[in-house]
Amino acid sequence: KQEVTQIPAALSVPEGENLVLNCSFTDSAIYNLQWFRQDPGKGLTSLLLIQSSQREQTSGRLNASLDKSSGRSTLYIAASQPGDSATYLCAVRPRGSTLGRLYFGRGTQLTVWP
Amino acid sequence: ETGVTQTPRHLVMGMTNKKSLKCEQHLGHNAMYWYKQSAKKPLELMFVYSLEERVENNSVPSRFSPECPNSSHLFLHLHTLQPEDSALYLCTSSQGLGVPDGEQFFGPGTRLTVL
Repeated sequence: KQEVTQIPAALSVPEGENLVLNCSFTDSAIYNLQWFRQDPGKGLTSLLLIQSSQREQTSGRLNASLDKSSGRSTLYIAASQPGDSATYLCAVRPRGSTLGRLYFGRGTQLTVWP
Repeated sequence: ETGVTQTPRHLVMGMTNKKSLKCEQHLGHNAMYWYKQSAKKPLELMFVYSLEERVENNSVPSRFSPECPNSSHLFLHLHTLQPEDSALYLCTSSQGLGVPDGEQFFGPGTRLTVL
């Protein structure tokens, strides 16, 4: 069974810092990995989708990398802002399943203070 | 906006009530899912529908009853719930189970409180 772990569970930083959020998964047989943002009490907003054949994806100040063989992904946030405060979730879609099921980590709760 | 809408956004119900959650997607997708997000737990898959047919019931109690009348709409009917069922219920859609590397799009969720 696929297990997804995110470290750290919580992070509090001053505005302007560059951040790295970590995600690891136990089974490297995946179709893709997706990073989401969740604001308190809200749904999930997709940030980046990395297919298994890709090494990284970039969107604005966000960069996500994928090392499938070691079961790791990182989300890099450049020049953090208070508006980046949210919970960041990573999820993998495993091969061998026809159900489209995503396996989620517990998330990293990020606070960026001015 | 992700193209997936959910109503209501908030729901408070007693243990003897019957209510329904609604999800609608405007993306032309063929697969829809219900996930449950409880405090301090990872998101859990509840149900998967593909082309309006249920293909997965992930060991969910019978007090939760899904319905998918067409590929754009998904319902979750609730009856005789327990307080531990209080959670955020999220609907998501994807292009189809035949497109395994497709992106999933989430709705805003329904925050359910069972008294």
